[in-house]
Parts: sequence; structure tokens; C-alpha cells
Amino acid sequence: GEDVEQSLFLSVREGDSSVINCTYTDSSSTYLYWYKQEPGAGLQLLTYIFSNMDMKQDQRLTVLLNKKDKHLSLRIADTQTGDSAIYFCAESIIQGGKLIFGQGTELSVKP
Amino acid sequence: SQTIHQWPATLVQPVGSPLSLECTVEGTSNPNLYWYRQAAGRGLQLLFYSIGIDQISSEVPQNLSASRPQDRQFILSSKKLLLSDSGFYLCAWSVGQPNEQFFGPGTRLTVL
Repeated sequence: GEDVEQSLFLSVREGDSSVINCTYTDSSSTYLYWYKQEPGAGLQLLTYIFSNMDMKQDQRLTVLLNKKDKHLSLRIADTQTGDSAIYFCAESIIQGGKLIFGQGTELSVKP
Repeated sequence: SQTIHQWPATLVQPVGSPLSLECTVEGTSNPNLYWYRQAAGRGLQLLFYSIGIDQISSEVPQNLSASRPQDRQFILSSKKLLLSDSGFYLCAWSVGQPNEQFFGPGTRLTVL
């Protein structure tokens, strides 16, 4: 079945780059997504990538997709304290427009 | 622009009481609608999804039910709450490709 895995925690210093990794199992996924969740709030869509792309850049965010290894990463350049949150990776599956979410990576940014 | 509302924002209910959580979407037509529960362990569990009025699929058997009385309204209900129903309930919508889902602010439910 479908499964998405992420490491649970990442700690970085302010100004450094953060790289959050994700692996997925469904090779038929058409889109992959990154969401951000701040404490007590809903999930906010950060970016998504189509499965035939290798990379997508949006300001401080860079998404890399290795379809052969089913590996997705999110790089945040010049990480700020406001980037502290839980980041979820998700893949789309065909049935009903459902998304399969990872467990989330809690990013802690230290000044 | 599209917006999604959930209410109430927080709820404390005794075990055995009924539940009704409401989600409404504005600014779009015929969205796919979703209910998720996020327990303390952080992971998102898909409870129900709906691709249209009277088309609701349940993902996990439990004492919860969902209804879609209008195109942009999605209701999560229970006749008798259990302690294990405590959690953060999130509603989301999507339309077409690239099928990104947009989430509401969530309802924090505590069952005592």
C-alpha cells in the first residue's frame, strides 16, 4: 500500500539551510506536496511538484525529486525562527483525490 | 478567493455526548471535501472524503459519520463520543489538478 516516511525532528541554527527529507512508495503519484503546520493551526500548502520534474524553486524553498529512489526533499535557505513548524510531505493517489501524508518533521530553528 | 471555515474552534464534551462539527467552503464549486483527525502523535488520519453531494467514503470504521447537506458544507458527527475521539479535526477541500488540498483552521476536541 501507499506509505510516506519522514524523520520526526530536525534542528538548525538561524541563517543555516534546512533540508527535510521524505520517501514515498507509490510510483504512480502524479504530484507531491509540502505543507507547513504552525502550533494550533491547520496545514498550509507551501509548494508542490509534478512527478515529471526534478526540481522546483520558489524563493527560499527548493524541492528536489528523485523519482527513481522515490525521494523528495525540501530545502529552506537562510532558515529563520519563523520557519519553526512541522513540515508534512504528501503524495497524491488517484482515488478520490486523496493525499497520503507523512508523519511530519518538526523543524526547530535556534537563534 | 476561496476560504474554508470550521467551527467551533475548540470544544470540550463529556463521554457519551453527541458531536457536530461543521466545515464550509466559499468561492469554489463542487469541491472534493475531506475530514482528517490529527492525534497527539501528529500524523494525519483521513476519516472521510466526498467527491460530491451524497458521495461520501469512509476510510476508517469508527463511531463517527459525515454528511454533505450542501455542495460546500461538510459535517462530522457522532451520536456518542468516546475518549479516543479527542484530537484536532481538520477539514480540507480540493478542486481538479494539481489536486492540492487546502485546510481549514481546525477544531480542537477534548472528550472528558
